Amino acid sequence: AQSVSQHNHHVILSEAASLELGCNYSYGGTVNLFWYVQYPGQHLQLLLKYFSGDPLVKGIKGFEAEFIKSKFSFNLRKPSVQWSDTAEYFCAVKPYDKVIFGPGTSLSVIP
Amino acid sequence: KAGVTQTPRYLIKTRGQQVTLSCSPISGHRSVSWYQQTPGQGLQFLFEYFSETQRNKGNFPGRFSGRQFSNSRSEMNVSTLELGDSALYLCASIRTGGNGDTGELFFGEGSRLTVL
Repeated sequence: AQSVSQHNHHVILSEAASLELGCNYSYGGTVNLFWYVQYPGQHLQLLLKYFSGDPLVKGIKGFEAEFIKSKFSFNLRKPSVQWSDTAEYFCAVKPYDKVIFGPGTSLSVIP
Repeated sequence: KAGVTQTPRYLIKTRGQQVTLSCSPISGHRSVSWYQQTPGQGLQFLFEYFSETQRNKGNFPGRFSGRQFSNSRSEMNVSTLELGDSALYLCASIRTGGNGDTGELFFGEGSRLTVL
C-alpha cells in the first residue's frame, strides 16, 4: 500500500539551530510532493511543493526541501529556526490519485 | 478570495447519533477532499469529490459518507457515531493546474467533533 513516513515524531530545537525533517514515501511512479504546516490553533497551510524540475524547492519563511528520487525522499530543511516555527509539519504525496499524508512531526523551538 | 469554510466548527454528539458536516470550497475549485485528523493517526483520507462524483474513497466504514452539490459545496455524514469518531474533520479545496489536478490542497479550519 502507498504510504508516507516521517522520521521523527517530535523534535525539540533551540532558536537558531538548523532543522531537517525526514520524509519518505513508498510509491514508485511520478508523484507530486508537499510539505504542510499547522501552527497552533491555525489551519493547515502549504509550506512548499514539488511537481517537477529543480529538485531543490524553496517555500515560505525560509524553508526548503530536496527531492531525491532514488531515495524516495523529500526532506524539509531550514538553516536557522525561530520560536515562531513551533508547529506540526506534515509531508504529503500525491501519486496518481489522492493525497496521502505522513503522520506529522511536532516541532518545538525553545527561545 | 474567500477560503474554505467549514461548519459547524465545534459539535458534541452522543454515541449512536449521526452528524452532518458542511464544506464550501474556494470559489472556482471543483474538487473537495475530506480528512480525519486525530493525534494518534494524523490525517486519514476519507473521500474526494469532483463535479458531484466521488472520485476516491479511503478505508473507512460505510457509516462515513459524503456528497457534493452542483455548486461544489460538499457534505459528509457519519451515522451511528462511536467514541472513536471523535476527531477534527478537515475539508480541503483542490487547486487544479493546467494539466489537471495538482493535488495542492487548501484547507478549512475543520469541524471538531466530540462523541460522548
